[in-house]
Amino acid sequence: DAMVIQNPRYQVTQFGKPVTLSCSQTLNHNVMYWYQQKSSQAPKLLFHYYDKDFNNEADTPDNFQSRRPNTSFCFLDIRSPGLGDTAMYLCATSFRQSREKLFFGSGTQLSVL
Amino acid sequence: KQEVTQIPAALSVPEGENLVLNCSFTDSAIYNLQWFRQDPGKGLTSLLLIQSSQREQTSGRLNASLDKSSGRSTLYIAASQPGDSATYLCAVEGTTDSWGKLQFGAGTQVVVTP
Repeated sequence: DAMVIQNPRYQVTQFGKPVTLSCSQTLNHNVMYWYQQKSSQAPKLLFHYYDKDFNNEADTPDNFQSRRPNTSFCFLDIRSPGLGDTAMYLCATSFRQSREKLFFGSGTQLSVL
Repeated sequence: KQEVTQIPAALSVPEGENLVLNCSFTDSAIYNLQWFRQDPGKGLTSLLLIQSSQREQTSGRLNASLDKSSGRSTLYIAASQPGDSATYLCAVEGTTDSWGKLQFGAGTQVVVTP
């Protein structure tokens, strides 16, 4: 049973056209993360939510935003995608107090044309 | 700033051989280290997690060791199979307020040939 679900699996968008990626979880974890992974590179943390508290990484472009309307869902919004935003976007969850392993979704492959 | 390196970037072995994958990190002040598997175009699957106080972890054919003082971890996969073909990434979690913030290596792409 999938525990961290990302939709869509593949997304193609045009340069400058806003796009939203979705992540949901059934683990009731209090932390949700968004990582960006470009081809053949290491995943890079963009931001995370601890409950409703949003934590942005210092070098995450302003173009990237996130929403977490409830415990189960988290969204990644890219306001004006550029060609350099083509990447795999990975959602992960964890339970902060246990500091155990992260659970990752299958990812959304975003292509900006 | 923590940097994680995995060498080699790619590796090809015949079926049945043991795999040895290396991971090095620059800052020994880590909370834990994880090894992940990633199939092409897919997400990450956690294989093993080693706490900073541990020296190794084992799961089936997989064994991971950690030498925190030298900034190294090694993942051993015994008797490799074609199904082991994937990219393997290591990631470290720092101490203090770095919980859940993993610093990844770029991975080692493994091909096991029948």
